[in-house]
Amino acid sequence: QQQVKQSPQSLIVQKGGISIINCAYENTAFDYFPWYQQFPGKGPALLIAIRPDVSEKKEGRFTISFNKSAKQFSLHIMDSQPGDSATYFCAASGATSGTYKYIFGTGTRLKVLA
Amino acid sequence: DVKVTQSSRYLVKRTGEKVFLECVQDMDHENMFWYRQDPGLGLRLIYFSYDVKMKEKGDIPEGYSVSREKKERFSLILESASTNQTSMYLCASTRGGANTEAFFGQGTRLTVV
Repeated sequence: QQQVKQSPQSLIVQKGGISIINCAYENTAFDYFPWYQQFPGKGPALLIAIRPDVSEKKEGRFTISFNKSAKQFSLHIMDSQPGDSATYFCAASGATSGTYKYIFGTGTRLKVLA
Repeated sequence: DVKVTQSSRYLVKRTGEKVFLECVQDMDHENMFWYRQDPGLGLRLIYFSYDVKMKEKGDIPEGYSVSREKKERFSLILESASTNQTSMYLCASTRGGANTEAFFGQGTRLTVV
């Protein structure tokens, strides 16, 4: 019930293409769904996040689509660039005994070809 | 600029040694976390702390302990290092409350030989 399942494990996209990463969760108590981006040698950093009261959030080339009934959410990267090559983690958060903690997906390694 | 700083980027330790990984944040955050990152397994929560001297087990606490004597500092302790603890360790912190951004350190790559 605490898992967040992420796919695919790796993704190769041509420059200018659309990158799509999917996540699914089971625990309906989750109420915050962020995506983190990690470059080699760095810690993850927040990219974009969504709450379940909206179905889509867009920030520049990055869009989260959220399907509450299916308990799924996805990250779309439009016009993918070589600089987007990184590992992406979806996550979910919700109160557990009054404390908020994140459950992360297994990560997607994205490579954008020039 | 907000910062979470981990004391070492790379560590090599011998099997059976006691290992200390240190993490310091300068944002006055209430919550601090230790994760380990392994290929194909993502970020798995080891321990977290929501207040000084308070701690809770995460998903994989076996073989680890933690200490939080000051609000800004959270230490991960490997009581007797084993080769299966070779991994990347990431510290993170968040403000108290809901839906708050997690800030991560740069990670410590630990190799146990």
